[in-house]
Amino acid sequence: GESVGLHLPTLSVQEGDNSIINCAYSNSASDYFIWYKQESGKGPQFIIDIRSNMDKRQGQRVTVLLNKTVKHLSLQIAATQPGDSAVYFCAENGSSNTGKLIFGQGTTLQVKP
Amino acid sequence: DTEVTQTPKHLVMGMTNKKSLKCEQHMGHRAMYWYKQKAKKPPELMFVYSYEKLSINESVPSRFSPECPNSSLLNLHLHALQPEDSALYLCASSQDRTSAQETQYFGPGTRLLVL
Repeated sequence: GESVGLHLPTLSVQEGDNSIINCAYSNSASDYFIWYKQESGKGPQFIIDIRSNMDKRQGQRVTVLLNKTVKHLSLQIAATQPGDSAVYFCAENGSSNTGKLIFGQGTTLQVKP
Repeated sequence: DTEVTQTPKHLVMGMTNKKSLKCEQHMGHRAMYWYKQKAKKPPELMFVYSYEKLSINESVPSRFSPECPNSSLLNLHLHALQPEDSALYLCASSQDRTSAQETQYFGPGTRLLVL
């Protein structure tokens, strides 16, 4: 079945270090992936996306890597800051053309000062 | 501007009350969504509107009734809710549902408590 999962429910990093948040997906037909950041009491905030014709995409301090061979997605955050503390969700579009996103369970990133 | 607004921010209601949640976007998006999110869980899709028509209902109980008055507005009418319906209700929008590669932008949500 379709599922998107994250390997670790909680990730704790030191301020200034790089963070890597992982996500596994099972639907090989998915061709669009999104990372969202959700701070406490707020809605999910779009961070970065990637289409299946790409392996890597960079934004400001963030990089998303897509490995279609092993169905793996990762979000790298450079020089992690306290403001990066949040829950991070990956999402995929699945095999249907309905606009329905399939979300992973989320990883909580804790940044230690 | 990728802003989706939602009102109210918080809502407390009894099981016999009728209330409505409102969502608005001015990005010209033609697809709008309602999600329900429980604590420490990912958002769960409830409804999808595409070009102001309901296109997906994820088997949501009839005590939740969506409405799309125009392309910028989305409402969720609530009636006879149960305490287990307490959650964060999120609205989202995207350019066009018919494209599978569309970014959905979320609003801040309405925190609902049913007593």
